[in-house]
Amino acid sequence: GAVVSQHPSRVICKSGTSVKIECRSLDFQATTMFWYRQFPKQSLMLMATSNEGSKATYEQGVEKDKFLINHASLTLSTLTVTSAHPEDSSFYICSASQWRNTGELFFGEGSRLTVL
Amino acid sequence: QKEVEQNSGPLSVPEGAIASLNCTYSDRVSQSFFWYRQYSGKSPELIMSIYSNGDKEDGRFTAQLNKASQYVSLLIRDSQPSDSATYLCAVNENRDDKIIFGKGTRLHILP
Repeated sequence: GAVVSQHPSRVICKSGTSVKIECRSLDFQATTMFWYRQFPKQSLMLMATSNEGSKATYEQGVEKDKFLINHASLTLSTLTVTSAHPEDSSFYICSASQWRNTGELFFGEGSRLTVL
Repeated sequence: QKEVEQNSGPLSVPEGAIASLNCTYSDRVSQSFFWYRQYSGKSPELIMSIYSNGDKEDGRFTAQLNKASQYVSLLIRDSQPSDSATYLCAVNENRDDKIIFGKGTRLHILP
């Protein structure tokens, strides 16, 4: 299947700092990428849909000024958690669909963020 | 509110037996259905997709879809300890790329 790479896999930061997570589709062009957050023993919660060359679409309750998403190219989307706080500690996962509207998502490895 | 419901488990199944995972969804216009497997601390991986009523088999996995009853299931034959994971059911309307995930069922294969 298609390969999606996510970096970093783990990050620990101090409260108040910003953290950037990268998501790359390695062998296909992804016009749309998705960012999820998963708390322990919880399901994936869609945070936003990232569209190449346009603004991201955020889900209800997700602060767009706190979670900055940039999709500058067909193979790269970034999520920046600004002014991180301990409650932002979570497992952040990106995904991309190789074919539009199939729903067959390929996930990155995930990034575990710990905010001290 | 569109929902995808799964029993959280854990579902314990003896090695070699058939594991049966079930999922119901609320939105009748849903068109695409998926099962993802997620090991602890890892991201999900797609194992099955199904788009039409009936059964779809792939190796030891069989997905079953019944749109009239709004349920989709996953059967795992000859269960192995390596099948122990959380299985996420996901549904897509096909109007957009948004996927709705269930909370997942934890499956434990007993050696």
